[in-house]
Amino acid sequence: NAGVTQTPKFRILKIGQSMTLQCTQDMNHNYMYWYRQDPGMGLKLIYYSVGAGITDKGEVPNGYNVSRSTTEDFPLRLELAAPSQTSVYFCASSYSTGSYEQYFGPGTRLTVT
Amino acid sequence: AQSVTQLDSQVPVFEEAPVELRCNYSSSVSVYLFWYVQYPNQGLQLLLKYLSGSTLVKGINGFEAEFNKSQTSFHLRKPSVHISDTAEYFCAVSDRETSGSRLTFGEGTQLTVNP
Repeated sequence: NAGVTQTPKFRILKIGQSMTLQCTQDMNHNYMYWYRQDPGMGLKLIYYSVGAGITDKGEVPNGYNVSRSTTEDFPLRLELAAPSQTSVYFCASSYSTGSYEQYFGPGTRLTVT
Repeated sequence: AQSVTQLDSQVPVFEEAPVELRCNYSSSVSVYLFWYVQYPNQGLQLLLKYLSGSTLVKGINGFEAEFNKSQTSFHLRKPSVHISDTAEYFCAVSDRETSGSRLTFGEGTQLTVNP
């Protein structure tokens, strides 16, 4: 199993540009998550999904959109990039919530200038 | 709602010394507790978790943690660290009573093991 994969690994965007961060998992997990990690701030939940076709906002959803058309894929869309979105983005998946372990991808380092 | 406080942002230690990384949490309901580790330029991976039962939990790589309900703490310990333990460590909680509860992470503790 590849686990959770993310592309790209690095990206530099200009202010106002758009991009999609890709996330795929091959563990048949129902739950998927997008986090951003800023230095000294821990991980903040952006959006999550409990299954194909179902998504919900996390703690910091502004400026982002998601979709979940399949169990495997959970892309994160930035429509109008802003410098405040410079961060490292992690996708994760889990069988369920509560006591279940989350499995993380390697991350995407995004810089908006 | 829950919150997590990791009391030390950076912990430098020498190789083969013991280490304790401190984590306190706040919650109005019972929680599950987790420690994750992030090696440089990688995603997070689970070190250990407390669900129920014995309050001393053993994890991978020789780490263990003790759940203290009265002090609402879940400190992580290792009796003898290696250079390869250099990483950032995150404490996290989830609400055990709410369906669909999600993880709340602390701000992380950078452990640096020096030779």
